[in-house]
Amino acid sequence: DTGVSQDPRHKITKRGQNVTFRCDPISEHNRLYWYRQTLGQGPEFLTYFQNEAQLEKSRLLSDRFSAERPKGSFSTLEIQRTEQGDSAMYLCASSYGQGNSPLHFGNGTRLTVT
Amino acid sequence: AQSVSQHNHHVILSEAASLELGCNYSYGGTVNLFWYVQYPGQHLQLLLKYFSGDPLVKGIKGFEAEFIKSKFSFNLRKPSVQWSDTAEYFCAASGSKAAGNKLTFGGGTRVLVKP
Repeated sequence: DTGVSQDPRHKITKRGQNVTFRCDPISEHNRLYWYRQTLGQGPEFLTYFQNEAQLEKSRLLSDRFSAERPKGSFSTLEIQRTEQGDSAMYLCASSYGQGNSPLHFGNGTRLTVT
Repeated sequence: AQSVSQHNHHVILSEAASLELGCNYSYGGTVNLFWYVQYPGQHLQLLLKYFSGDPLVKGIKGFEAEFIKSKFSFNLRKPSVQWSDTAEYFCAASGSKAAGNKLTFGGGTRVLVKP
């Protein structure tokens, strides 16, 4: 188990710029999730993939956010025209199979928008 | 709406003290419950989970949690904490009908154990 890997660990960007984060799930995990966590809060669900299909998106995911998982393995989360309110930790998690398999989380990407 | 609430934002205690962290949930239908821990600088890790059966669940590192359906609660306990238990603890829930086990998290409780 090599764990869920996220890249980069930290990203500082200026307001208005686009950013892209990458998540590599645990091998053979067919489910992949993106969460956002702000200071003092618990993680909030953003979106979820089963294989390459994006099955659910939170209302938190505005039109500036897009996520992909083109081959059912790694995933990318892009934020266009970043705003200061986008500053947060972006967490990726993966799980295997059906039913109630627990989620395994990565270390996250901390985004700071200046 | 589905929600999870944690009673305390911060807890400070001494080594060997007992710990209990409160968690209440609001979910329609069957619920699955989890406690995750995040040690400083590390990723979220699963402490324990409850799906069905015995409402007293034992997890890793001496933690346990009790599911009380009538109180919509899933409190986390540890009889005697160690300095290494300093971390942030998150209660989470998913509904059995929820697509792909999407988790709803509480706001977290920061626990500081003084040596």
